[in-house]
Amino acid sequence: RKEVEQDPGPFNVPEGATVAFNCTYSNSASQSFFWYRQDCRKEPKLLMSVYSSGNEDGRFTAQLNRASQYISLLIRDSKLSDSATYLCVVNARNTDKLIFGTGTRLQVFP
Amino acid sequence: GAVVSQHPSRVICKSGTSVKIECRSLDFQATTMFWYRQFPKQSLMLMATSNEGSKATYEQGVEKDKFLINHASLTLSTLTVTSAHPEDSSFYICSAILNTEAFFGQGTRLTVV
Repeated sequence: RKEVEQDPGPFNVPEGATVAFNCTYSNSASQSFFWYRQDCRKEPKLLMSVYSSGNEDGRFTAQLNRASQYISLLIRDSKLSDSATYLCVVNARNTDKLIFGTGTRLQVFP
Repeated sequence: GAVVSQHPSRVICKSGTSVKIECRSLDFQATTMFWYRQFPKQSLMLMATSNEGSKATYEQGVEKDKFLINHASLTLSTLTVTSAHPEDSSFYICSAILNTEAFFGQGTRLTVV
């Protein structure tokens, strides 16, 4: 079983749609959780950290369910510029090692 | 924000030759840097952790004699792909952590012909 699993997609949605991505992780010792965005042939960039209480940043909402070892990302009012691959990332307790999911590809069309 | 610079961004080399990739933290010191490899449509896979002043820690299945890592200063780590083969063709990317956030280099696209 992969340490971090995501649906690779692609998710093809129209502008203005709401779309949700899910991610599961296998290591219950994981302590920090993130969503990164990666554009084609570019380096990943931090989109947002994920906190136990859930957090929101503009159109983006991230949630964590430790009991189910599950992380989600919700994007509201999708923009064309949101088209990218979204990477679910976790790290274990007391380590800087990051484990990446395969990413979920989002394509927003006009 | 913090910047990690990676060079070269693209390299084509012949089979059997070696290629060196540099990763620099431009405005902060990084005692630890990470090297990843990403094949098309796959996730970033951690290859090794580069430790300033000591040996790198390699992930299972990564040949340390083939992927030489040197972290001689607090701002520079290098990855040398030795005796490159076509199957080593991939996107190599480094990162460093600052205040719990990972910053990535721009990546190096290696093509071995």
